[in-house]
Amino acid sequence: QKEVEQNSGPLSVPEGAIASLNCTYSDRGSQSFFWYRQYSGKSPELIMFIYSNGDKEDGRFTAQLNKASQYVSLLIRDSQPSDSATYLCAVNTEYGNKLVFGAGTILRVKS
Amino acid sequence: EAQVTQNPRYLITVTGKKLTVTCSQNMNHEYMSWYRQDPGLGLRQIYYSMNVEVTDKGDVPEGYKVSRKEKRNFPLILESPSPNQTSLYFCASSSRWVTDTQYFGPGTRLTVL
Repeated sequence: QKEVEQNSGPLSVPEGAIASLNCTYSDRGSQSFFWYRQYSGKSPELIMFIYSNGDKEDGRFTAQLNKASQYVSLLIRDSQPSDSATYLCAVNTEYGNKLVFGAGTILRVKS
Repeated sequence: EAQVTQNPRYLITVTGKKLTVTCSQNMNHEYMSWYRQDPGLGLRQIYYSMNVEVTDKGDVPEGYKVSRKEKRNFPLILESPSPNQTSLYFCASSSRWVTDTQYFGPGTRLTVL
């Protein structure tokens, strides 16, 4: 079983819709959760992080964490074509100084 | 400008020919790491360094070496490259901990024939 799992997609949404990206993780002791965005041919960049159960909002982005279900999600409201990218979920495992990344979900926002 | 630089950006080489990919950051970061990115597998950590002279293995260290003699530099060494090391490599740095924002370099696309 992969430590961090994401649906590879592509997830296609129309412009202006809400995009919902999901991630599950296997290490129940994980403490920190991150969403990175990677445009085609570019390097990843951090867009959100969350440490506590519940929702965290930043502009059009909302990260949701449910540690009991070992589930973290990213909602993008009012999706724009410029949001089209691969979204990588990353989890800091309980042991070791490392991040474990999922394989990423491709998001396509159609105008 | 705060940045992580990698060189070379593209490299085609042959099996067994030693190579080094350089990584440098100008943000005085303590934590640096190397990742490889392969289709369907995402980013996998190769090695990381908490500070000068402190390095440790990530998830896929086999076939790679690193050194951290200076705070700003963290080169990745492939002593005897093999075709299964063909990949996209990213160097990243963060201020102190892996949970701080990771700043990624532009990537090095390596092909081993």
